[in-house]
Amino acid sequence: AQTVTQSQPEMSVQEAETVTLSCTYDTSESDYYLFWYKQPPSRQMILVIRQEAYKQQNATENRFSVNFQKAAKSFSLKISDSQLGDAAMYFCAYRSAYEGAQKLVFGQGTRLTINP
Amino acid sequence: DAGVIQSPRHEVTEMGQEVTLRCKPISGHNSLFWYRQTMMRGLELLIYFNNNVPIDDSGMPEDRFSAKMPNASFSTLKIQPSEPRDSAVYFCASSHRLGYNEQFFGPGTRLTVL
Repeated sequence: AQTVTQSQPEMSVQEAETVTLSCTYDTSESDYYLFWYKQPPSRQMILVIRQEAYKQQNATENRFSVNFQKAAKSFSLKISDSQLGDAAMYFCAYRSAYEGAQKLVFGQGTRLTINP
Repeated sequence: DAGVIQSPRHEVTEMGQEVTLRCKPISGHNSLFWYRQTMMRGLELLIYFNNNVPIDDSGMPEDRFSAKMPNASFSTLKIQPSEPRDSAVYFCASSHRLGYNEQFFGPGTRLTVL
């Protein structure tokens, strides 16, 4: 079974600075998807960024980018120019590319605090 | 689009009572997922459906939990009888089978069992 590990329960960063959240995963599959979800206090789960395992190029969405290291099974999220609205729980998630295994496997989450 | 709709948003009940959570997926989506979020176990899948058919129910904790999807626009998750350890936030999500299969989450139902 696949597992996802987020080793940082909490992180904090100064507004406008850059922060990196870590995520590692374990799988024997070669084709899969990785995601970062944001959960603000409203508890709504919001997709931040996604990465296909077969793509070597790291995904980027505005201030959010990932460092995907397939051999190391690492998938970190970098937030540049941190804003107060980025404060939330961040979850790393794995999904198999196999059509019959669509469930998301989540890490335990990292609580990000933005200091003004 | 209205997004995934869940009801109720909050539910407080007493141990032993039946609880029914409801979900309306995004129109056109053919996969529906029920997740549970607790402090101890984090976010975990309970069950998911493809084209109204249950595909993986390995996360359903025990026989007290049941889920149905009678049509493409409605699903229920029922707990009978409820216990205090069922207190959690229950999320419904839906996705389209094409492309990334991105899962869109509903706002969740916060269940408290006293």
